[in-house]
Amino acid sequence: SAVISQKPSRDICQRGTSLTIQCQVDSQVTMMFWYRQQPGQSLTLIATANQGSEATYESGFVIDKFPISRPNLTFSTLTVSNMSPEDSSIYLCSDDTDYGYTFGSGTRLTVV
Amino acid sequence: SQQGEEDPQALSIQEGENATMNCSYKTSINNLQWYRQNSGRGLVHLILIRSNEREKHSGRLRVTLDTSKKSSSLLITASRAADTASYFCATLNQGGKLIFGQGTELSVKP
Repeated sequence: SAVISQKPSRDICQRGTSLTIQCQVDSQVTMMFWYRQQPGQSLTLIATANQGSEATYESGFVIDKFPISRPNLTFSTLTVSNMSPEDSSIYLCSDDTDYGYTFGSGTRLTVV
Repeated sequence: SQQGEEDPQALSIQEGENATMNCSYKTSINNLQWYRQNSGRGLVHLILIRSNEREKHSGRLRVTLDTSKKSSSLLITASRAADTASYFCATLNQGGKLIFGQGTELSVKP
């Protein structure tokens, strides 16, 4: 299965700023996914990112707040824009295979 | 949005005992997967069971799937302290999206 390197692993950010999270996959994958895990909660799908097209966002998530790039089949970024304390969460990227999804190690974001 | 529910939300057992976690879901699925998460870190894929399968084993893990009841269970036999983690079921829906349940927090006491 693929290995995903995600960075940063954690960050503390000021309210109103933006943070870009990167995920690098060691093989080419068709689709990548971004999830948010709020404190003590399960994972919620933010969007699906295909190479060469705009990301598809789930209900409650918008591109202006969470712009996503997918420049090639091994890389994707998620930006959390104009952050507020409510954005404090763990953000995870993943890819899909026939045998299960592989996840990055997560980015623990704290907004102060 | 969450696909379904897991129970129990929290489970505390002694080392050596078996742990059973249940998952229910709402819509048609291609497969159901179980993941483990240690201390809010990245998720580790444990096992995948396809919609046409009823039971699957992997080491100390046993997963069952009942599509008529839209439910699955994960059994961890002879638990160890290292099994302490959060366990999530996730269903792959027809649209190719992996949707997670609420999770079960398992604590195995030595």
